[in-house]
Formats: sequence, C-alpha cells, structure tokens
Amino acid sequence: QSVLTQPPSASGTPGQRVTISCSGSSSNIGSNYVFWYQHLPGTAPKLLIYKNDQRPSGVPDRFSGSKSGTSASLAISGLRSEDEADYFCAAWDGSLSGRVFGTGTKVSVL
Amino acid sequence: EVQLVESGGGLVKPGGSLRLSCAASGITFNSYHMDWVRQAPGKGLEWVSFISTDSKYIYYADSVKGRFTISRDNAKKSLYLQINSLRVEDTAVYYCARESPAGAALSEAFDIWGQGTMVIVSS
Repeated sequence: QSVLTQPPSASGTPGQRVTISCSGSSSNIGSNYVFWYQHLPGTAPKLLIYKNDQRPSGVPDRFSGSKSGTSASLAISGLRSEDEADYFCAAWDGSLSGRVFGTGTKVSVL
Repeated sequence: EVQLVESGGGLVKPGGSLRLSCAASGITFNSYHMDWVRQAPGKGLEWVSFISTDSKYIYYADSVKGRFTISRDNAKKSLYLQINSLRVEDTAVYYCARESPAGAALSEAFDIWGQGTMVIVSS
C-alpha cells in the first residue's frame, strides 16, 4: 500500500504544461529527498529527478521537480507524445525504514 | 555498456520458492547499494528490499519481511532475491535497481534499472 498519493491521471495537448503532485508526510517527503521516475509498461523505469529538483544527465530540461513541506511536484513543459507514460514519485520513509513509491500518475497526450 | 539483467522468474504454486538473480555489467558493482522493486499487474511500483554495498545494511518492505532474503556477491557482480512462501499477491515483475550511496552525485537515486523478470504465483 502506497503512502505517497498521486493523482491517477493527467493529460494535456502537445506543447502544454502538465503538473503532477505527490503528497506524503513528515516521515517521508517532509524529511527526505524526493525522486521521480518515468515508466513505460514492459520497460525499465527511468530516473527523471533526484534530490527533489535535480535532473540527471540526458533528461530534458522540460522536466522539473520541486518540493515544499510534505508535498512534491513534477512539471512537464512543452508536452510531447513521447511523454505518455506512468510517473512515480519516491522517497525514503524513516518510520517504515524503507523506500516508498507514489501511487503513480498516467500522463496522456491528447 | 552499463546493464542490469534479471533472471529466475517463472510460474510457481502458492507456498513455493524462487531465487531471482540480477547480473551487473559495465559498472563498479561494489560501489553501489542495490534494491529490488516490483510491479504487480495493473498496479504501481512497490519497493521490496535494499542491500548496502558491503551487505551490512539490509531492509525489507513489511509485505515481504520474513519470506524474502536479499543478498549479493560483489565478486560475481550479482544480486539475489530468495523468495519463499510465495503468495498469489507476490505475482509481479521484479526489477533490480542500482542505488547511489548517500553523498554521491546521484545520492540515493535508482539510476539504473533492469528490464525485469516475471514471477507468477498460481495454483
């Protein structure tokens, strides 16, 4: 059972900006880094954002992350068809002594 | 090429056991922590287990504690997951992932993932 809550879906037209929220608590997002992953079914998940707002080499700057208190968000600007995927937030949870993932958000490009 | 390749999945009856393996290539395996993450059909990602570079620290999700055992062999650049007392709800694609140590550039991020191995638990 996920302890990080995300909206089940988000959508936009090509070129639009989409924002995905991730709500947690003081034991996870509130006191630890947030990470974001992109996942296409049947493929290996891909790291998009680490340490709340950092992009790994090779990830376009259309993807950006932010964190405030016990919530975080991922923004995708200039939406493209290849951005259609599932997106998951993740954080360490000190109370559970384990990593927790968000419920996941399916992004559709209309 | 940096690569993680899982193997060992399959169809098993409830109560059965499997040993999953994850072979690493192109990376300095002993410099990274490793994790197992799974995804049940139609569900999201679920973290399963963590093992530190030297196997000193090991953590499990409550859902698998007492039934799953994570281990690694740095000389063979391999990660393992022994899964016992399998339940129908353990049916999932199991991924291994490389995790950078705290303080490293990609601190605590799962930056490299395998393609996954499918475990189906059914009578």
